[in-house]
Amino acid sequence: DAGVIQSPRHEVTEMGQEVTLRCKPISGHNSLFWYRQTMMRGLELLIYFNNNVPIDDSGMPEDRFSAKMPNASFSTLKIQPSEPRDSAVYFCASSATRADTQYFGPGTRLTVL
Amino acid sequence: AQTVTQSQPEMSVQEAETVTLSCTYDTSESDYYLFWYKQPPSRQMILVIRQEAYKQQNATENRFSVNFQKAAKSFSLKISDSQLGDAAMYFCAYRTMRYGNKLVFGAGTILRVKS
Repeated sequence: DAGVIQSPRHEVTEMGQEVTLRCKPISGHNSLFWYRQTMMRGLELLIYFNNNVPIDDSGMPEDRFSAKMPNASFSTLKIQPSEPRDSAVYFCASSATRADTQYFGPGTRLTVL
Repeated sequence: AQTVTQSQPEMSVQEAETVTLSCTYDTSESDYYLFWYKQPPSRQMILVIRQEAYKQQNATENRFSVNFQKAAKSFSLKISDSQLGDAAMYFCAYRTMRYGNKLVFGAGTILRVKS
């Protein structure tokens, strides 16, 4: 069975541009999580969905960040406009239920110049 | 606030030897889960082992085992017969349903394996 799929794996963009990160959770998983990893702050949760509904977005840093989950097999994390401080690795993870183990995708390394 | 502390920024072990990575956490909850994730240079986050707080028995997965001390809020990872492929960053993580199921991670421990 395929794991969590993220695209792109690497993204380099210029400040002010819109960036869209994509995630396909493991089939049958009902919960989806977006995490960000930086040297300064480590790994932190940005937002999570349960059954396609956003449950906790308290980790979303600013209004420039938005996330959607239009169906059970697809989610996006959008940054508009992007800033250099958004440079990080963004992980998507999914779990079968809210209480189950979270399995991570390979991550997207974002560089904002 | 829920916090996870990994006091060892870096550890080294000789191939085939045993190493223990430390983790402590702070919580007022009684029902929670603890995890160790491995992040190799590929940066993929790989689940190593999971422990439910209500279980007294320490979790084991092949060469990986934990020493879970609930009263002391300690959750260390022991790697036996270390292999070169074990070299990675190891993260201890905590999760409780009360706080939205998010994983709270420690800062990580870099493990180097010497041949």
